[in-house]
Amino acid sequence: EVQLVESGGGLVQRGGSLRLSCAASGFTLSSYHMNWVRQAPGKGLEWVSYISSGGSTKYYADSVKGRFTISRDNAKNSLYLQMNSLRDEDTAVYYCARDLGKTAAVTFDYWGQGTLVTVSS
Amino acid sequence: DIQMTQSPSSLSASVGDRVTITCRASQSISTYLNWYQQKPGKAPNLLIYAASSLQSGVPSRFSGSGSGTAFTLTISSLQPEDLATYFCQQSYSTPWTFGQGTKVEIK
Repeated sequence: EVQLVESGGGLVQRGGSLRLSCAASGFTLSSYHMNWVRQAPGKGLEWVSYISSGGSTKYYADSVKGRFTISRDNAKNSLYLQMNSLRDEDTAVYYCARDLGKTAAVTFDYWGQGTLVTVSS
Repeated sequence: DIQMTQSPSSLSASVGDRVTITCRASQSISTYLNWYQQKPGKAPNLLIYAASSLQSGVPSRFSGSGSGTAFTLTISSLQPEDLATYFCQQSYSTPWTFGQGTKVEIK
């Protein structure tokens, strides 16, 4: 059974840093591109970042570019999101999401349960 | 960025009704369009990918159609467990963007 379990969320001060982790199981992480998607309280979904299966290609939403860094350790079956210079508008539930991989298009076929990041002044 | 617009924002329908949700893209995206269902307090779940392909395990009452800029998600016979918010997402180009969501309520 495919499972994605996020951790590392919490309350952080504006301007602070946080590192999110996503533990993958039930599939071979190294075979899949991975993403982070977030959802502010009561709002819609926003794609945040993408990393290719081998880690060589990374993309970021403009809203986080230069502040967030996505990485992965396939040997540890883990995905990460380093978040620096956090702003109030970064408050959200952060989901890790696997890419379906059937086509070149990015499609999120499995999602974790999410971890809540709250940025407070 | 490609803007995705869903309509309606919410709807209320009875069990057994046919429900249709529309998603429009700000430019042509061919069939690079996915649909997700998000039940209250849960993570989203992939229903339809590539505009019309049913994801494994998803009930056949869900279907998708469209190409270019106009797409629809249809629930052929609404069930109580379909209470959820539905999102479309374009997978044509980065940044991959979502519609604002359509909340489906049961009368």
